[in-house]
Amino acid sequence: QKEVEQNSGPLSVPEGAIASLNCTYSDRGSQSFFWYRQYSGKSPELIMSIYSNGDKEDGRFTAQLNKASQYVSLLIRDSQPSDSATYLCAVTSPPLTNSGYALNFGKGTSLLVTP
Amino acid sequence: DTEVTQTPKHLVMGMTNKKSLKCEQHMGHRAMYWYKQKAKKPPELMFVYSYEKLSINESVPSRFSPECPNSSLLNLHLHALQPEDSALYLCASSPSSEYNEQFFGPGTRLTVL
Repeated sequence: QKEVEQNSGPLSVPEGAIASLNCTYSDRGSQSFFWYRQYSGKSPELIMSIYSNGDKEDGRFTAQLNKASQYVSLLIRDSQPSDSATYLCAVTSPPLTNSGYALNFGKGTSLLVTP
Repeated sequence: DTEVTQTPKHLVMGMTNKKSLKCEQHMGHRAMYWYKQKAKKPPELMFVYSYEKLSINESVPSRFSPECPNSSLLNLHLHALQPEDSALYLCASSPSSEYNEQFFGPGTRLTVL
């Protein structure tokens, strides 16, 4: 069973602080890692993709990947109330058959940024 | 155009109805996906189409029937659904099933009475 684990939260941070969201995965063969943001009642929005060890920065977002520890994280700098949402970690593992890759989602972490 | 569109936005149907959900993308992506999402749960994969061929069917009941008329369109035909099938149905696409940075449409909120 390929598992993706996230703390469900809620994670509460004050406006302007750094929010740190964490995700662990069980399949050591996992190759691609994604962070999606989902507002209540809306669809998931892709905000970060990371494929190799290290950090990847995009604006206020930084994704960090450590394949040895099977750990991926998302940092949100200068958090804003508009960042309040559920953040889904998703991991792709090679298929067992030639049927394509599937995303395995964690259950999501609820982030609340307070003014 | 980096958008996946879905119609309708909302759908209410009885258990004896037949309806269809539609999804369209114009990003040249060759893989398209249907997901089902219940409240406070992550999306659950239902079907994957890769190069217009069904490549993954996650043991979904036959009352859900997918169709991929061409590389830009994906349909989900619904028949004899149950109230527990009420959920947000999400379509997504990715450049290929191997390079699968997936982009989601806005979803169809389905209520089965």
